[in-house]
Amino acid sequence: ILNVEQSPQSLHVQEGDSTNFTCSFPSSNFYALHWYRWETAKSPEALFVMTLNGDEKKKGRISATLNTKEGYSYLYIKGSQPEDSATYLCAHPSQAGTALIFGKGTTLSVSS
Amino acid sequence: DAGVIQSPRHEVTEMGQEVTLRCKPISGHNSLFWYRQTMMRGLELLIYFNNNVPIDDSGMPEDRFSAKMPNASFSTLKIQPSEPRDSAVYFCASSYNTEAFFGQGTRLTVV
Repeated sequence: ILNVEQSPQSLHVQEGDSTNFTCSFPSSNFYALHWYRWETAKSPEALFVMTLNGDEKKKGRISATLNTKEGYSYLYIKGSQPEDSATYLCAHPSQAGTALIFGKGTTLSVSS
Repeated sequence: DAGVIQSPRHEVTEMGQEVTLRCKPISGHNSLFWYRQTMMRGLELLIYFNNNVPIDDSGMPEDRFSAKMPNASFSTLKIQPSEPRDSAVYFCASSYNTEAFFGQGTRLTVV
Protein backbone atom coordinates (compact mmCIF):
# COMPACT_ATOMS: atom_id res chain seq x y z
CA ILE A 1 0.00 0.00 0.00
CA LEU A 2 1.43 3.38 -1.03
CA ASN A 3 1.67 6.17 1.55
CA VAL A 4 0.13 9.58 1.07
CA GLU A 5 1.43 12.47 3.17
CA GLN A 6 -0.34 15.76 3.72
CA SER A 7 0.88 19.01 5.22
CA PRO A 8 0.24 20.95 7.27
CA GLN A 9 -1.85 18.83 9.60
CA SER A 10 -3.98 21.84 10.52
CA LEU A 11 -4.31 25.43 9.48
CA HIS A 12 -6.14 28.42 10.89
CA VAL A 13 -6.74 31.47 8.71
CA GLN A 14 -8.84 34.60 8.72
CA GLU A 15 -11.77 35.13 6.40
CA GLY A 16 -10.50 36.48 3.10
CA ASP A 17 -7.05 34.91 3.35
CA SER A 18 -5.87 32.65 0.56
CA THR A 19 -4.26 29.41 1.56
CA ASN A 20 -2.77 26.25 0.15
CA PHE A 21 -1.75 22.82 1.34
CA THR A 22 0.28 19.95 0.02
CA CYS A 23 -0.24 16.29 -0.77
CA SER A 24 2.79 14.09 -1.43
CA PHE A 25 2.57 10.65 -2.96
CA PRO A 26 4.92 8.09 -4.52
CA SER A 27 5.60 9.18 -8.10
CA SER A 28 6.17 5.67 -9.43
CA ASN A 29 3.21 3.79 -10.96
CA PHE A 30 0.97 6.84 -10.77
CA TYR A 31 -2.69 6.35 -11.65
CA ALA A 32 -4.66 9.21 -10.19
CA LEU A 33 -4.82 11.68 -7.33
CA HIS A 34 -8.09 12.46 -5.58
CA TRP A 35 -9.01 15.40 -3.36
CA TYR A 36 -11.90 15.16 -0.93
CA ARG A 37 -13.56 17.66 1.37
CA TRP A 38 -14.77 16.37 4.72
CA GLU A 39 -16.98 18.50 6.91
CA THR A 40 -17.53 17.64 10.55
CA ALA A 41 -20.34 15.14 11.12
CA LYS A 42 -20.62 14.45 7.41
CA SER A 43 -18.96 12.01 5.02
CA PRO A 44 -16.09 12.87 2.67
CA GLU A 45 -17.13 14.32 -0.67
CA ALA A 46 -15.05 14.28 -3.83
CA LEU A 47 -13.60 17.59 -5.04
CA PHE A 48 -11.25 16.61 -7.85
CA VAL A 49 -9.82 13.60 -9.61
CA MET A 50 -6.55 14.37 -11.35
CA THR A 51 -4.71 12.05 -13.70
CA LEU A 52 -2.32 14.02 -15.94
CA ASN A 53 0.97 15.64 -15.03
CA GLY A 54 0.50 19.39 -15.03
CA ASP A 55 -3.25 19.02 -14.65
CA GLU A 56 -5.06 21.90 -13.00
CA LYS A 57 -8.64 21.69 -11.77
CA LYS A 58 -10.88 24.43 -10.43
CA LYS A 59 -14.19 24.54 -8.63
CA GLY A 60 -15.23 28.01 -7.56
CA ARG A 61 -12.55 29.41 -5.26
CA ILE A 62 -10.82 26.05 -4.88
CA SER A 63 -8.21 24.82 -7.33
CA ALA A 64 -5.63 22.05 -7.44
CA THR A 65 -2.46 21.31 -9.37
CA LEU A 66 -0.66 18.06 -9.99
CA ASN A 67 3.00 17.14 -10.51
CA THR A 68 3.26 13.41 -11.07
CA LYS A 69 6.99 13.42 -11.78
CA GLU A 70 7.89 14.78 -8.36
CA GLY A 71 4.87 13.31 -6.59
CA TYR A 72 2.94 16.25 -5.21
CA SER A 73 -0.32 18.10 -5.56
CA TYR A 74 -1.32 21.48 -4.17
CA LEU A 75 -4.82 22.54 -3.16
CA TYR A 76 -5.46 26.29 -3.18
CA ILE A 77 -8.36 28.18 -1.64
CA LYS A 78 -8.70 31.80 -2.69
CA GLY A 79 -10.41 34.21 -0.31
CA SER A 80 -11.23 31.66 2.40
CA GLN A 81 -14.72 31.76 3.90
CA PRO A 82 -15.95 30.21 7.17
CA GLU A 83 -17.88 27.63 5.16
CA ASP A 84 -14.54 26.37 3.77
CA SER A 85 -13.71 25.05 7.23
CA ALA A 86 -13.28 21.31 6.80
CA THR A 87 -10.68 18.60 6.53
CA TYR A 88 -9.21 18.26 3.05
CA LEU A 89 -8.06 14.77 2.17
CA CYS A 90 -6.03 13.56 -0.74
CA ALA A 91 -5.95 9.95 -1.85
CA HIS A 92 -4.04 7.75 -4.24
CA PRO A 93 -5.25 4.40 -5.61
CA SER A 94 -3.26 1.40 -4.48
CA GLN A 95 -3.66 -0.06 -7.95
CA ALA A 96 -5.37 1.26 -11.05
CA GLY A 97 -9.09 1.69 -10.40
CA THR A 98 -9.10 0.14 -6.95
CA ALA A 99 -8.96 1.18 -3.33
CA LEU A 100 -8.08 4.73 -2.38
CA ILE A 101 -5.38 5.21 0.22
CA PHE A 102 -5.98 8.43 2.08
CA GLY A 103 -3.63 10.87 3.72
CA LYS A 104 -4.49 12.07 7.22
CA GLY A 105 -5.78 15.33 5.85
CA THR A 106 -5.29 19.02 6.45
CA THR A 107 -7.88 20.53 8.77
CA LEU A 108 -8.69 24.09 7.80
CA SER A 109 -10.39 26.48 10.16
CA VAL A 110 -11.52 29.87 8.82
CA SER A 111 -12.62 32.48 11.30
CA SER A 112 -14.70 35.51 10.46
CA ASP B 1 -30.06 6.76 -5.88
CA ALA B 2 -29.99 7.27 -2.10
CA GLY B 3 -26.22 6.96 -1.99
CA VAL B 4 -24.27 4.56 0.18
CA ILE B 5 -26.39 3.52 3.13
CA GLN B 6 -24.88 2.39 6.39
CA SER B 7 -26.56 1.04 9.49
CA PRO B 8 -26.71 1.57 12.31
CA ARG B 9 -25.59 5.21 12.52
CA HIS B 10 -24.60 4.78 16.14
CA GLU B 11 -23.78 1.67 18.12
CA VAL B 12 -22.89 1.41 21.77
CA THR B 13 -21.95 -2.02 23.00
CA GLU B 14 -20.19 -3.69 25.86
CA MET B 15 -16.73 -5.14 25.56
CA GLY B 16 -16.84 -8.73 24.42
CA GLN B 17 -20.05 -8.41 22.46
CA GLU B 18 -20.34 -9.06 18.74
CA VAL B 19 -20.93 -6.01 16.56
CA THR B 20 -22.16 -6.10 12.96
CA LEU B 21 -22.03 -3.04 10.74
CA ARG B 22 -23.98 -3.01 7.49
CA CYS B 23 -23.54 -1.28 4.16
CA LYS B 24 -25.58 -0.99 1.01
CA PRO B 25 -23.46 0.40 -1.85
CA ILE B 26 -24.69 2.51 -4.73
CA SER B 27 -26.37 0.35 -7.33
CA GLY B 28 -24.04 -0.42 -10.24
CA HIS B 29 -20.83 0.23 -8.35
CA ASN B 30 -18.34 -2.60 -8.56
CA SER B 31 -16.05 -1.79 -5.65
CA LEU B 32 -16.83 -1.50 -1.96
CA PHE B 33 -14.50 -0.28 0.76
CA TRP B 34 -14.55 -0.34 4.54
CA TYR B 35 -12.60 2.43 6.29
CA ARG B 36 -12.08 3.24 9.96
CA GLN B 37 -11.54 6.80 11.13
CA THR B 38 -9.69 7.57 14.34
CA MET B 39 -7.92 10.65 15.64
CA MET B 40 -4.58 8.87 15.71
CA ARG B 41 -4.57 7.23 12.32
CA GLY B 42 -7.02 9.23 10.23
CA LEU B 43 -8.97 7.32 7.58
CA GLU B 44 -7.60 3.77 7.38
CA LEU B 45 -8.55 1.27 4.71
CA LEU B 46 -9.61 -1.98 6.35
CA ILE B 47 -10.69 -4.08 3.38
CA TYR B 48 -12.07 -3.70 -0.08
CA PHE B 49 -14.10 -5.82 -2.46
CA ASN B 50 -14.17 -5.77 -6.22
CA ASN B 51 -17.15 -7.48 -7.84
CA ASN B 52 -18.01 -8.94 -4.42
CA VAL B 53 -14.59 -10.58 -4.04
CA PRO B 54 -12.26 -9.46 -1.22
CA ILE B 55 -9.13 -8.06 -2.85
CA ASP B 56 -7.04 -6.71 0.00
CA ASP B 57 -7.76 -7.26 3.67
CA SER B 58 -4.30 -6.32 4.91
CA GLY B 59 -5.77 -3.37 6.76
CA MET B 60 -7.97 -5.52 8.96
CA PRO B 61 -6.49 -5.06 12.45
CA GLU B 62 -6.75 -8.65 13.64
CA ASP B 63 -8.76 -11.83 13.50
CA ARG B 64 -11.56 -10.30 15.51
CA PHE B 65 -12.52 -8.37 12.39
CA SER B 66 -14.20 -10.01 9.42
CA ALA B 67 -16.06 -8.69 6.39
CA LYS B 68 -18.35 -10.27 3.86
CA MET B 69 -20.05 -9.24 0.67
CA PRO B 70 -22.59 -11.94 -0.18
CA ASN B 71 -23.98 -9.98 -3.13
CA ALA B 72 -23.49 -6.74 -5.02
CA SER B 73 -25.91 -4.80 -2.84
CA PHE B 74 -24.83 -5.70 0.69
CA SER B 75 -21.75 -5.96 2.87
CA THR B 76 -21.11 -6.50 6.55
CA LEU B 77 -18.19 -5.76 8.84
CA LYS B 78 -18.20 -7.84 11.99
CA ILE B 79 -16.17 -7.44 15.14
CA GLN B 80 -16.18 -10.39 17.53
CA PRO B 81 -15.39 -9.94 20.35
CA SER B 82 -15.38 -6.15 20.46
CA GLU B 83 -12.89 -4.18 22.55
CA PRO B 84 -12.83 -0.54 23.71
CA ARG B 85 -9.98 0.23 21.29
CA ASP B 86 -12.32 -0.60 18.42
CA SER B 87 -14.28 2.57 19.17
CA ALA B 88 -14.18 4.68 16.01
CA VAL B 89 -16.28 5.82 13.07
CA TYR B 90 -16.52 3.13 10.41
CA PHE B 91 -17.19 4.28 6.86
CA CYS B 92 -18.31 2.27 3.90
CA ALA B 93 -17.71 3.62 0.39
CA SER B 94 -18.41 2.37 -3.09
CA SER B 95 -17.12 3.28 -6.52
CA TYR B 96 -17.21 2.42 -10.18
CA ASN B 97 -13.53 2.70 -11.13
CA THR B 98 -13.14 6.38 -10.19
CA GLU B 99 -14.15 8.47 -7.21
CA ALA B 100 -15.45 6.82 -4.06
CA PHE B 101 -18.80 7.77 -2.56
CA PHE B 102 -19.03 7.49 1.18
CA GLY B 103 -21.84 6.55 3.50
CA GLN B 104 -22.63 8.57 6.60
CA GLY B 105 -20.60 6.23 8.79
CA THR B 106 -21.33 4.19 11.89
CA ARG B 107 -20.04 5.61 15.15
CA LEU B 108 -19.10 2.64 17.31
CA THR B 109 -18.49 2.97 21.02
CA VAL B 110 -17.34 -0.07 22.96
CA VAL B 111 -17.54 0.37 26.71
